[in-house]
Amino acid sequence: DVKVTQSSRYLVKRTGEKVFLECVQDMDHENMFWYRQDPGLGLRLIYFSYDVKMKEKGDIPEGYSVSREKKERFSLILESASTNQTSMYLCASTYTGVGTEAFFGQGTRLTVV
Amino acid sequence: AQSVTQLDSHVSVSEGTPVLLRCNYSSSYSPSLFWYVQHPNKGLQLLLKYTSAATLVKGINGFEAEFKKSETSFHLTKPSAHMSDAAEYFCVVSEGVYNNNDMRFGAGTRLTVKP
Repeated sequence: DVKVTQSSRYLVKRTGEKVFLECVQDMDHENMFWYRQDPGLGLRLIYFSYDVKMKEKGDIPEGYSVSREKKERFSLILESASTNQTSMYLCASTYTGVGTEAFFGQGTRLTVV
Repeated sequence: AQSVTQLDSHVSVSEGTPVLLRCNYSSSYSPSLFWYVQHPNKGLQLLLKYTSAATLVKGINGFEAEFKKSETSFHLTKPSAHMSDAAEYFCVVSEGVYNNNDMRFGAGTRLTVKP
């Protein structure tokens, strides 16, 4: 079974904390993505990576950074968490090719208090 | 970058009547297009995809979508709605290797099915 695993299902953090969300895939996919999902806004792309150490900004990168040191792992970092970063965070991966299906993690519901 | 616009945030139909969920896309290349469904408190599931082969694409659970390049549209249809179709639907565009495999979602359409 293909698998994308996010490190936490639920997370509660305080304002100003540095937060790490981890995502691991076991499919040897080249491409990995971080989205946040908010009601009425769909999934908005934060960052994606098409290779180790490579990253591209999505639509809403402000307040976030990412790290991809190994092909299977893609980390999302909230440098200084704020209440407006309370959201559901979804990681996805795809291999490079025409029309490749995305595989998603179970999501991390982050609450910043 | 590529983008998609889902023209309706909420669609309500009666069971047994047709479903139409509208999606327009913007892309500088020949994109791949997808529809995903998300049932309440569940993960995302691929319904169907278009990859420059046949313009009419059939998916799971009786859904299909038609790629119309002249209209930059990829609308999702189903002839007869079931109660189990109630969910949120997302249209997705990818330019593949032309844009480092970037993948963008629409804002979603919530489908309600009335008995």
